[in-house]
Amino acid sequence: DVKVTQSSRYLVKRTGEKVFLECVQDMDHENMFWYRQDPGLGLRLIYFSYDVKMKEKGDIPEGYSVSREKKERFSLILESASTNQTSMYLCASSLYLGGIGGSGNTIYFGEGSWLTVV
Amino acid sequence: TQLLEQSPQFLSIQEGENLTVYCNSSSVFSSLQWYRQEPGEGPVLLVTVVTGGEVKKLKRLTFQFGDARKDSSLHITAAQPGDTGLYLCAGERTGANNLFFGTGTRLTVIP
Repeated sequence: DVKVTQSSRYLVKRTGEKVFLECVQDMDHENMFWYRQDPGLGLRLIYFSYDVKMKEKGDIPEGYSVSREKKERFSLILESASTNQTSMYLCASSLYLGGIGGSGNTIYFGEGSWLTVV
Repeated sequence: TQLLEQSPQFLSIQEGENLTVYCNSSSVFSSLQWYRQEPGEGPVLLVTVVTGGEVKKLKRLTFQFGDARKDSSLHITAAQPGDTGLYLCAGERTGANNLFFGTGTRLTVIP
């Protein structure tokens, strides 16, 4: 089975702190994603990566950066956490670029990281 | 602006009842997926529909993709408490590298 592991399930950070959220997948997937999930807004894409050291902005990249130094690991960084970044963060991976649904390419999600910024 | 709108946002029903959840958009999608997310976990894929008008059944769940590939529905027959969760639709657009997720429907089935 595909496993997407997020290292921290629950974090509480202070405003202005630097925050690292780590994600590892074990299926040699090309694509990795970071989403945030807020009530009534569904999942919103922050960043995604289609290869090592490659990254693309999603819908809401402001206030975030990412790092993909190894294929299996994708990190989300909050340079200076703010209270409006309190949310549930979901990491995901998929096998290859494009043709997600029609070609049976599925996105697999981690269990989520609950971040509270106080 | 949300590309995919789901309705209702919340749904609370008794065990054994039927229900339908809707996922609507003004945009055309090349495929549409439905996920279920249980508390404390990430979303898990239930089904992918690809062809306009396509109907897929998964036990008591029936998924339909609209003829124009702009909308989809999920119908649950004889709901069980185990169906409780957040249901998310997600659409793929040609040329895009990620999925666009709907706003979600939170279903509670009361025993």
